[in-house]
This record gives sequence, structure tokens and C-alpha cells, in this order.
Amino acid sequence: GEDVEQSLFLSVREGDSSVINCTYTDSSSTYLYWYKQEPGAGLQLLTYIFSNMDMKQDQRLTVLLNKKDKHLSLRIADTQTGDSAIYFCAESFSGGYQKVTFGTGTKLQVIP
Amino acid sequence: NAGVTQTPKFQVLKTGQSMTLQCAQDMNHEYMSWYRQDPGMGLRLIHYSVGAGITDQGEVPNGYNVSRSTTEDFPLRLLSAAPSQTSVYFCASSPGRDRGVLNQPQHFGDGTRLSIL
Repeated sequence: GEDVEQSLFLSVREGDSSVINCTYTDSSSTYLYWYKQEPGAGLQLLTYIFSNMDMKQDQRLTVLLNKKDKHLSLRIADTQTGDSAIYFCAESFSGGYQKVTFGTGTKLQVIP
Repeated sequence: NAGVTQTPKFQVLKTGQSMTLQCAQDMNHEYMSWYRQDPGMGLRLIHYSVGAGITDQGEVPNGYNVSRSTTEDFPLRLLSAAPSQTSVYFCASSPGRDRGVLNQPQHFGDGTRLSIL
């Protein structure tokens, strides 16, 4: 079955890099996503990577995908207090809108 | 821009009551969906719609109904509220039209926090 796992909590100091990790079990996923949820708000799509890519960079965000190990990571460079939030990874499958599986979320705490 | 608007933001119900959670989007998106968020479980899909007049069940549809009479609106109905339905409910939309990544939820409302006593 489909399962997406994340660690629950990560604490970093302001200015350091944050690395949030995610493992998934279904190798047929087509897209992998990172969402950000700030307190009291809905999810915001941060970035995504197509499954035939190894890496994607978008300003301070770097997504790394290791298909062999089914491991996805999100690196945030120069982490700021405004990055404090819950980060969800998710996977989806070609043509299947309903087949989006979310991880349980990682709460990132940035210490000033 | 309003994006995805959910009402109400908070609601307390008694077991057995019914209610409708409202969701509206002003981006002319084809795809809309409802999720519930529970601690330690991520988001789970309740129902979704790929266009006006078309709805389908997600992962956890029992106890909920939806309809999509217009592109803009996608209300979620709780038929007879149960304590197990205490959760935070999110509505999401995306352009759809089978455009790869654009099929997937991109715009979320701020959620409705629902408590069933």
C-alpha cells in the first residue's frame, strides 16, 4: 500500500540550513510535493519534483530525490523564523487526481 | 484575490446534528476536494470533484455528502455528526484539465475547525 513517512519534529537555529526528510513506499509515484502549513492556515504548495528528476532548486529550497531508496528531502538554506511551520511531503500518480498521499508532517521550529 | 474561501472557521455540534461546510473558489478551477486533518495522520481525502456535476469518493467518504452544482462551490455535508468527525477540514482546488502536476491540490482554504460533542 501507499505510505509516506516523515519525522515529527525538527529544530534549527536561524541562519542554519534545515533538511526535512520523507520516505515513501510506492515506486510508481509520478510527482512528489512539498507543502507548507503555517499556524491556523491551509497548506501552501511550495515545490514539486517529477519522479524522473534527481534534484530541483528554487531559490532557498532544494529538493533531492533518491528513487532507489524512495527518499525525498527538502533543504531550506539560511532558515528564517518565518520558515517555522509544518511541512508535508506528498506523492501522486499520473492522471489520478484522487491518488495523492500526504505524509504526517514535520514541524520545523526555528530558534532565533 | 480571495482564492479558496471556507466558512465557518469554527463550529461546535452535538452528536446527531447535521451541517454544511461551505467552500468557494474564484479561480475558475476545475478540480476541488475536501480533506480532513487529524493529529499524526496527515491529510485524508474525503470527496473530490473534477468538474461541475461530477463528484467521487476519496479515502474516507463515510458520513459525508458533496455536490458540485457550479464550478465555484463545493459544499460538504455532515449527515449525522459523530465524535469521530471532530477534525480540521480543508477544501482545496486546482486548475485540473489533466495537466499533470496541475491536477493536484494547489490552493487550500484556511480550514474549518469542527468539534462534535
